[in-house]
Amino acid sequence: DVKVTQSSRYLVKRTGEKVFLECVQDMDHENMFWYRQDPGLGLRLIYFSYDVKMKEKGDIPEGYSVSREKKERFSLILESASTNQTSMYLCASSFFDRFNQPQHFGDGTRLSIL
Amino acid sequence: TQLLEQSPQFLSIQEGENLTVYCNSSSVFSSLQWYRQEPGEGPVLLVTVVTGGEVKKLKRLTFQFGDARKDSSLHITAAQPGDTGLYLCAGARYGGATNKLIFGTGTLLAVQP
Repeated sequence: DVKVTQSSRYLVKRTGEKVFLECVQDMDHENMFWYRQDPGLGLRLIYFSYDVKMKEKGDIPEGYSVSREKKERFSLILESASTNQTSMYLCASSFFDRFNQPQHFGDGTRLSIL
Repeated sequence: TQLLEQSPQFLSIQEGENLTVYCNSSSVFSSLQWYRQEPGEGPVLLVTVVTGGEVKKLKRLTFQFGDARKDSSLHITAAQPGDTGLYLCAGARYGGATNKLIFGTGTLLAVQP
């Protein structure tokens, strides 16, 4: 089975801190994604990566950056955390395919910024 | 940004009832996926529909892709408490280097025993 592992289930940080969320997948997937999930808004794409060191902005990249130094690992960075970044963060991975590949998700990190 | 609207947003029903969840957009998608998310877990794929008008069945769940590939529906027959969860539709779009998904707003289903 595909396994996508997020480093923390719950995280509490203070405004202004630099925050790192880590995600590892074990299925040699080319694609990796970071989403945030808020009630009534579904999942919104922050950034994605289709290869090592490659990244593209999603729909809501402001205030975030990402790093993909190895194929299996994709990190989301909050440069200076703010309270409006309190949310559930989901990492996903998939094989490269133009249309029909499913995405496999981790269990999420619930991040609170105080 | 392309939007996928789901309705209803919340649904609370009794075990044994039938229900339908709708997923609508003004945009055409190459394919559409349905996911279910249980509390404390990430979404898990239920089905992918690709062809306009396509109908797929997964036990008591029936999925349909609209003829114009802009909308989809999920029908559950004789709902059970195990069907409880957040249902998300996701339209696939080709974004240059790879495929990306646009997720719907979600339908939270609670099936009471």
